[in-house]
Amino acid sequence: GQNIDQPTEMTATEGAIVQINCTYQTSGFNGLFWYQQHAGEAPTFLSYNVLDGLEEKGRFSSFLSRSKGYSYLLLKELQMKDSASYLCAAPNQAGTALIFGKGTTLSVSS
Amino acid sequence: EPEVTQTPSHQVTQMGQEVILRCVPISNHLYFYWYRQILGQKVEFLVSFYNNEISEKSEIFDDQFSVERPDGSNFTLKIRSTKLEDSAMYFCASSEMGNGYEQYFGPGTRLTVT
Repeated sequence: GQNIDQPTEMTATEGAIVQINCTYQTSGFNGLFWYQQHAGEAPTFLSYNVLDGLEEKGRFSSFLSRSKGYSYLLLKELQMKDSASYLCAAPNQAGTALIFGKGTTLSVSS
Repeated sequence: EPEVTQTPSHQVTQMGQEVILRCVPISNHLYFYWYRQILGQKVEFLVSFYNNEISEKSEIFDDQFSVERPDGSNFTLKIRSTKLEDSAMYFCASSEMGNGYEQYFGPGTRLTVT
């Protein structure tokens, strides 16, 4: 089976840095995804990690440790528009579905 | 930029009625998916579809659900006899390849069953 855990809520201020953690247990490992979802909208892809280490993409970076079953999403120079839910997701063993965590709702205040 | 489209954006139906939710995946994508998200809850996988057949389905995807690719562009989800608990946002997604490839999500259809 698969289990993905992430904190329910986080708050931060504009300009700050925030780290959203995700731990996972999967049958087989096919990488880890991060998606952003604004309220009432569809999830949009942020990052995909399959190897250990940090992947940087502008203000957003994602880290993976396969041995620890752990990932985090790092958001720098926070802006109000970054207020959204951040979803950690892993493919199932066959790679035919994405299994999502419950998401972390990030509120950015001025 | 190509995108996944879904119609309608909002569907209201009475319990027991059949609904068909429509999706047009990105044109060169080969893998198609349906997910649902009940208000305030997580995104849940329903079914994946490749090469004109179901590749995987979750336990949510019971006999009242079916999927079809009636032509070269549309991908539909049919719910045969809707229940109150089917009220949710339904997202269609597509990907160029399977495992490890980014899935692009459509804007969703909000289904309300009364």
